[in-house]
Amino acid sequence: TQLLEQSPQFLSIQEGENLTVYCNSSSVFSSLQWYRQEPGEGPVLLVTVVTGGEVKKLKRLTFQFGDARKDSSLHITAAQPGDTGLYLCAGGRNAGNMLTFGGGTRLMVKP
Amino acid sequence: DAEITQSPRHKITETGRQVTLACHQTWNHNNMFWYRQDLGHGLRLIHYSYGVHDTNKGEVSDGYSVSRSNTEDLPLTLESAASSQTSVYFCASSDSGTGAVDTQYFGPGTRLTVL
Repeated sequence: TQLLEQSPQFLSIQEGENLTVYCNSSSVFSSLQWYRQEPGEGPVLLVTVVTGGEVKKLKRLTFQFGDARKDSSLHITAAQPGDTGLYLCAGGRNAGNMLTFGGGTRLMVKP
Repeated sequence: DAEITQSPRHKITETGRQVTLACHQTWNHNNMFWYRQDLGHGLRLIHYSYGVHDTNKGEVSDGYSVSRSNTEDLPLTLESAASSQTSVYFCASSDSGTGAVDTQYFGPGTRLTVL
C-alpha cells in the first residue's frame, strides 16, 4: 500500500495543454518534495514545500502544499515536449531526512 | 564537480549468486540511501546510513545488506539474488543540514536482472 498516492499514473497530452498532477496521503508530512526523472537517470529535485498552503512557482510549474500538509499538486502551464518525464512526489518527516515516495506520474507531451 | 556514481550500470546475474552494487559520492555527505524502483511502486527505501559505521534498515531490506566503512561509499549486497530482486537500484546522498528536509542527490542507477 502506497503511503503517498499519485494520480494520474500516466498522462499523454499535446504541446500547449495544461495539466495537474496530484499527490495525496492520509498522513501528515513536514515537507513535500517533487522530483523529475528522465529515462536512464536518477530523480532530480524540482522543489521543496514545507508550510501548509505554500505555493511555489518554477517557470511554468506551480507547486502547492495542502493546508493540512497531507497532499500536494503540481500544475504545468502550456506543457512542452521537454516536460516529458516521470514526476515523483516525496514526503518528508522531521526525523532522519527520510523520504517516502509516491508511485510517480509518467507524463508524455507530444509536439 | 561533486557527483554520485554507481557501478555497474547494468548487471545480469543468476539466482542464488551474491551481487554487490557500488555507490560512490564526492559530496562529502553524511547521509546515504539505497532505493529500488519498480513500475507502479515509485522508489522504496532498502537501507540507509547517517555516517561511517552506521546502517539502518528501510522498508524493503530483506535479502539486502550494506556496510559503511568511509564517508564516500555505501555498497549494497544481495546475499543470494532472487528473481524478485530484478529492479533498478538507485543510490542517493544528502547532507546533515538543520533544515526540514535536505535535498537528496541521486546516482544514475543500476539495472539488475536476476535470471
